[in-house]
Formats: sequence, C-alpha cells, structure tokens
Amino acid sequence: AQSVAQPEDQVNVAEGNPLTVKCTYSVSGNPYLFWYVQYPNRGLQFLLKYITGDNLVKGSYGFEAEFNKSQTSFHLKKPSALVSDSALYFCAVRDGGGSYIPTFGRGTSLIVHP
Amino acid sequence: DSGVTQTPKHLITATGQRVTLRCSPRSGDLSVYWYQQSLDQGLQFLIQYYNGEERAKGNILERFSAQQFPDLHSELNLSSLELGDSALYFCASSVREGANYGYTFGSGTRLTVV
Repeated sequence: AQSVAQPEDQVNVAEGNPLTVKCTYSVSGNPYLFWYVQYPNRGLQFLLKYITGDNLVKGSYGFEAEFNKSQTSFHLKKPSALVSDSALYFCAVRDGGGSYIPTFGRGTSLIVHP
Repeated sequence: DSGVTQTPKHLITATGQRVTLRCSPRSGDLSVYWYQQSLDQGLQFLIQYYNGEERAKGNILERFSAQQFPDLHSELNLSSLELGDSALYFCASSVREGANYGYTFGSGTRLTVV
C-alpha cells in the first residue's frame, strides 16, 4: 500500500522568507515522489519529481524538494517566497514496485504575506 | 493553457439526473486519468485509460462510468446523481502510462448537484 501525508493544512510565510511545505510518505518499495501546485480555479501543475539519484531535486518556479529516505519525507522548499507562490500544494507518491497510479496528499495551502 | 481541455467548466443539475463530462488530452498524450476533488475527500483517483483501453480503477462508484474514444478524448458519465457527488472533476493526461512522466491536468469541471 502507498500513502502520503501533508501534516499542515496551511502554511503562512512572509514574502522574501524561506518556505517549507512538508510531506511524508509510506510505500513498500522504492518511492517515486511528486509535487504539484494548484492555483485558484485551475488544474494541478507539475512542479518536480524524485525517481532516483540526487536527494535534492530542483523544479519549476525556483522550487526544490529534498528526499530523505530515513525520515520518509519529501519536503518542498524555496529560498525566498513570493506573494505569487500563494496556492495549494499537493505531494504525491507511488510505489515503484506497485501501482503506477500515484496517491495524492490532501494538500497544503501556502499563503505568502506581503 | 495546459493543453488538456475539459468541458463544461460548470454544471448544475438535479439529484437523480445523468451528466457527461468531456476531456480532450494534450496532443500526443495517450493516457487519460479522471480525478474527483472534494473538500472532505481530497483528490481521489477514479479511472485511467490508455489508448482506448481501461487500465486502472480507483474509487469509482458503480453509478459512474468512462470511456476513451479512438480520437483519444474521454468522457466520464455520472448517473443517478446525489448531493454528495458535487465536486470538482479533473482530467489529466500523460504521454505514457504512469506518474513518472508527470501528469498534465485540465482546469476541471465543477459539478453542483441540487
């Protein structure tokens, strides 16, 4: 079975400050991990993925994510937040040895204050 | 514009009715996925088609059905609608099966059952 948890419903950060959106996962095999962003009244947009290799993955719009196998985490980060980063962020995981359909987290609302 | 087109954008209908949601995948994408997004359930995978064939089923009710046509567009049929079916329904596509390539989502159809 595969599952993903986003422990924070909402994250607030001031513009210019670093941001972190947390994600933890559970899979039987090797994890394939993804981050998506959803702006109001829009569909989800793919940000980045981790399949294998370097634990630090760089994606779109200056976002990056760090894979930590021992902590089963894949936190999304950005060094300097923008007001335009305010959106709903979804973490997703699929078990490399199982179903290729990912399971999505419930989402974290990121609010960046001017 | 993501390249995935969903129609209609909004749909209001009465309980007991039947509706059809349509999705045109991004050009070149063979795989289509349907998701339901609601406040209480989050993003739930319903069903996947690849090049006209059903490939994976998630939490799709028996009242719901889907198909993918030879031109690769897909339709999701929802019948005997209940108030609880009110949600955002997203279609996503990918060039091949599996999440490794990243999904491209449409902007969704907001269904309101009254």
